[in-house]
Amino acid sequence: QVQLVESGGGVVQPGRSLRLSCAASGFTFSRYGMHWVRQAPGKGLEWVAVILDVGSYKYYADSVKGRFTISRDNSKKTLNLQMNSLRAEDTAVYYCARISEGSGSYLDYWGQGTLVIVSS
Amino acid sequence: SSVLTQPPSVSVAPGKTARITCGGNNIGRKSVHWYQQRPGQAPVLVIYYDSARPSGIPERFSGSNSGNTATLTISRVEAGDEADYYCQVWDSSSDHYVFGTGTKVTVI
Repeated sequence: QVQLVESGGGVVQPGRSLRLSCAASGFTFSRYGMHWVRQAPGKGLEWVAVILDVGSYKYYADSVKGRFTISRDNSKKTLNLQMNSLRAEDTAVYYCARISEGSGSYLDYWGQGTLVIVSS
Repeated sequence: SSVLTQPPSVSVAPGKTARITCGGNNIGRKSVHWYQQRPGQAPVLVIYYDSARPSGIPERFSGSNSGNTATLTISRVEAGDEADYYCQVWDSSSDHYVFGTGTKVTVI
């Protein structure tokens, strides 16, 4: 069965960096695009970034563009999110999710999330 | 990019029908997808391509989409349906994915 397990969350000071990872299993990772989605405490879902299967196409939400970088290692079946210049408003649970087959317009499987707290 | 507006909350009695709307400019021209998020859990896809149900999702969940409004309908509501629900579209003009504002369904 499809499994996505995020790691790397924690408490970090404003302006510092953090790297999240998502380990995938149960499917052919290299064939699927992958997303990061976040949810601030008590708030709704916010899409963060997507990377397509071969990693050549990456798209970002305006709120993180230029600060966050999505990447993948198909040999290790791992999705990453490098977060730089972190701000208090980046505090959230970060989920990785798989892009759907076909049009790729929805997210068909999600991990359980990892919490990032940006605070001094 | 697209803005998707949902009512903050919907209350429904057990056994009745809950309808959750998702408003957006010409949303009927896009494919709309719906996610259920129970407290403390990750989102789960419940409807895709406006009205299709993933394997394992009860037939009580259905969807429609036309004009400026998409609707998720939950028939014969059960206590276990109490959750937050989010609509979502893919904005092809920007390659951004957009979530609705979310609706909390309370079973009273």
